[in-house]
Formats: sequence, structure tokens, C-alpha cells
Amino acid sequence: AQKITQTQPGMFVQEKEAVTLDCTYDTSDPSYGLFWYKQPSSGEMIFLIYQGSYDQQNATEGRYSLNFQKARKSANLVISASQLGDSAMYFCAMKDGNNRLAFGKGNQVVVIP
Amino acid sequence: DGGITQSPKYLFRKEGQNVTLSCEQNLNHDAMYWYRQDPGQGLRLIYYSQIVNDFQKGDIAEGYSVSREKKESFPLTVTSAQKNPTAFYLCASSILAGGDNQPQHFGDGTRLSIL
Repeated sequence: AQKITQTQPGMFVQEKEAVTLDCTYDTSDPSYGLFWYKQPSSGEMIFLIYQGSYDQQNATEGRYSLNFQKARKSANLVISASQLGDSAMYFCAMKDGNNRLAFGKGNQVVVIP
Repeated sequence: DGGITQSPKYLFRKEGQNVTLSCEQNLNHDAMYWYRQDPGQGLRLIYYSQIVNDFQKGDIAEGYSVSREKKESFPLTVTSAQKNPTAFYLCASSILAGGDNQPQHFGDGTRLSIL
């Protein structure tokens, strides 16, 4: 069974600073996909970024980037130049061979001005 | 605009009642999913469907039922057998072709509470 671990406590980050959110995973599949989603207080889940297990380069998408360390089974999300609108819960998820997503418990981020 | 519509946004249920949560998508996506989220927790998969008239149980299917009679629609019924139904329910959809990088897209969710 796949497992996603997000254990950081809630994080406060100063506006315009960068923040790193940790995600470790456990799988025996050689091929897998990792996703990060943002959930603001309104509840919707917003897709941010994807990293494939065979991708040679770390994924980037605007201010979001992934620090993918395959041997350590970690896929940390980096948000650069934080904005007040980045305050939300952030979830790491892994896709299995049946297109199912397994989610971690999330990281809470609060951006302070 | 293409998207996923969940209704209602808030739902209240008396003990012993069945309730049905609606999920409609106009993205022409093949697969649809139902998740449950409890406070401070991640999402847990209830049911999913990859094709019309077929669906599979997820990790917490007990006390729930679904149908997939049309590609666009995937309603979830919370039955009286679900002992702790108060939660936030999220519906998602995705395409199946195109590789592993296809994300699931989510609706805005339904908050279910027991009166």
C-alpha cells in the first residue's frame, strides 16, 4: 500500500520569503506520480504541480517547485516569494496504477505581512 | 466554463436518513472520484469510477453507495449505515489517457452535518 507522510506542524512565513513543505512517500511501484494540491479555507482543492518518478528534472510551475529526491523518497514543495494568498493547507498525493490518489494529512501555511 | 459542480454546498441530515450528494462534470473526463475529509485530515477515497456503469470501492466505502449512469454524473448516497457521516465531501474527475501526469480536478465540496 502507498503511504504519504506530511508531519510538519503549522508554519508561519513572512510575506516574500520562501517556504519548504516536506513530503515523504513509500511505494514499491517503480512508476508513480506525485502531486501537490492547495486547499484554501473555502475548501476547494487546487492542483499546483506534478512530478513523475522517471522525470530527470525537478518540476517547476511559476512560484512552485519540487525538490524531488528519489533515493530518499521525498518530494518537498518550495513556494518562493510567498504572498498572503498562499495561506492555505497544502497536500501531497501519490497516484497508483489504478489512477487512485493517496493523500497525506497536509501542511498548514500562514503567510504574515 | 468547464468544471465540476457539487450540490448542495451545505447539507443537514437527520439520523436514520439517506442523503444524496450531487456531482456533475462537463470536462468530458472518463474517471470520477468521491473523497471524504475530516477536520485536520487528508482526503480518503470512498468510491471511484473509470467508465459508465462501473465503479469500485475505495478505502472507506462502507455506508456509502454510488451510481454512474452517465459519464457526466456520479452521485454519492450516504446511507443510514454510515455511523459518522459528518464530514466534508469532495468529488473529483480526471482523464485516463495521456499518462500519469493528468491531475484530478475537484469540485467545491459539500459539507454534511447531522442534526
